[in-house]
Amino acid sequence: KQEVTQIPAALSVPEGENLVLNCSFTDSAIYNLQWFRQDPGKGLTSLLLIQSSQREQTSGRLNASLDKSSGRSTLYIAASQPGDSATYLCAVLGTFDGTSYGKLTFGQGTILTVHP
Amino acid sequence: SQTIHQWPATLVQPVGSPLSLECTVEGTSNPNLYWYRQAAGRGLQLLFYSVGIGQISSEVPQNLSASRPQDRQFILSSKKLLLSDSGFYLCAWTANSNQPQHFGDGTRLSIL
Repeated sequence: KQEVTQIPAALSVPEGENLVLNCSFTDSAIYNLQWFRQDPGKGLTSLLLIQSSQREQTSGRLNASLDKSSGRSTLYIAASQPGDSATYLCAVLGTFDGTSYGKLTFGQGTILTVHP
Repeated sequence: SQTIHQWPATLVQPVGSPLSLECTVEGTSNPNLYWYRQAAGRGLQLLFYSVGIGQISSEVPQNLSASRPQDRQFILSSKKLLLSDSGFYLCAWTANSNQPQHFGDGTRLSIL
């Protein structure tokens, strides 16, 4: 059974800092890994998707890396801003009972607070 | 562009009452559809997924059911709600399983 762990559970940083969020998964047989952002009381917004054959993806100030063999991913946020404050979730795409794929397994998330 | 709608945004229901939450997707055809529940202090749990009209798969045994009467409509139901059904329910869609999942704004369900 796939398990996804995110460290740290919470992070508070001053504006302007570069920061790293970590995600690890137990089963390396994944198809892709997604990073999401969730604002309080809202749904999830997809930030980055890394296919299992890729090493990293970048979007603006965000860079996500994937080391499938070691079961790890990191989300790097450059020059953090107060507007980046949210919960960040990673999820890995695997299979339903080893057949058709499409099942996302989520971590518990990292609550990020960026203070001015 | 594609959009996903969920309603209602919040719902307060007594124990034992029925439930119907609706999710619709616009701007795409034959999407994969998902229902998740996010309980306080816990991660997202996949409840149901559907790859086509009338095709529903359940991930966990529970007091809930799902239906897909139309291509872009996904409904979550219960005949009798339990206290443990409280939570934040999210609907999501994807064009195919290897593409990003896109989420609705969710329904906050409180059972009294």
